[in-house]
Amino acid sequence: AQSVTQLDSQVPVFEEAPVELRCNYSSSVSVYLFWYVQYPNQGLQLLLKYLSGSTLVKGINGFEAEFNKSQTSFHLRKPSVHISDTAEYFCAVSEGSGGYQKVTFGIGTKLQVIP
Amino acid sequence: KAGVTQTPRYLIKTRGQQVTLSCSPISGHRSVSWYQQTPGQGLQFLFEYFSETQRNKGNFPGRFSGRQFSNSRSEMNVSTLELGDSALYLCASSLAANDLAKNIQYFGAGTRLSVL
Repeated sequence: AQSVTQLDSQVPVFEEAPVELRCNYSSSVSVYLFWYVQYPNQGLQLLLKYLSGSTLVKGINGFEAEFNKSQTSFHLRKPSVHISDTAEYFCAVSEGSGGYQKVTFGIGTKLQVIP
Repeated sequence: KAGVTQTPRYLIKTRGQQVTLSCSPISGHRSVSWYQQTPGQGLQFLFEYFSETQRNKGNFPGRFSGRQFSNSRSEMNVSTLELGDSALYLCASSLAANDLAKNIQYFGAGTRLSVL
């Protein structure tokens, strides 16, 4: 069974500092990996995805993530955060076949950007 | 292209009542999934519908049910509401194509249910 572990429930960081949000997964098959962002009182918005190819994927708002198969990790990074990045971030893993996918989400990491 | 639309955005109910939530997927999307989001529990998968059939179900009691219509719109029903059902209910739609790379889930803004 697939699972996702987000190692930090909250991450405080000063504005313009770099940030890394950690995500580890487990799965017995090849998977697709995603990061979603949730702003207050909103649904989840897709930030970036890893499907295949280059292990470094770039997303919206200056975020990027690196897929590391040997360490089963998919950490999210941004070199310089802004106040507007304050939100909750969810890592997700998807596996399946025949048009059906099962998506499992991590418990989320709250990023608090401090001015 | 319009996104995933969930109605209503907010609901207040009392224990024992029942509630119906609605989700209109992105045009062309055939799969609709429902999640319950609560603080500390993250997103818990409720069920997924495709072609008016429930394809998969999470570990929720039978009080939680759903259906999908021929136009792919979906409804979720919770009967005999309990205080613990207070949560944000999220709907996500995807193409349900055989190519999983095209099966990215897109979420609605959610319905926040408060049970008093």
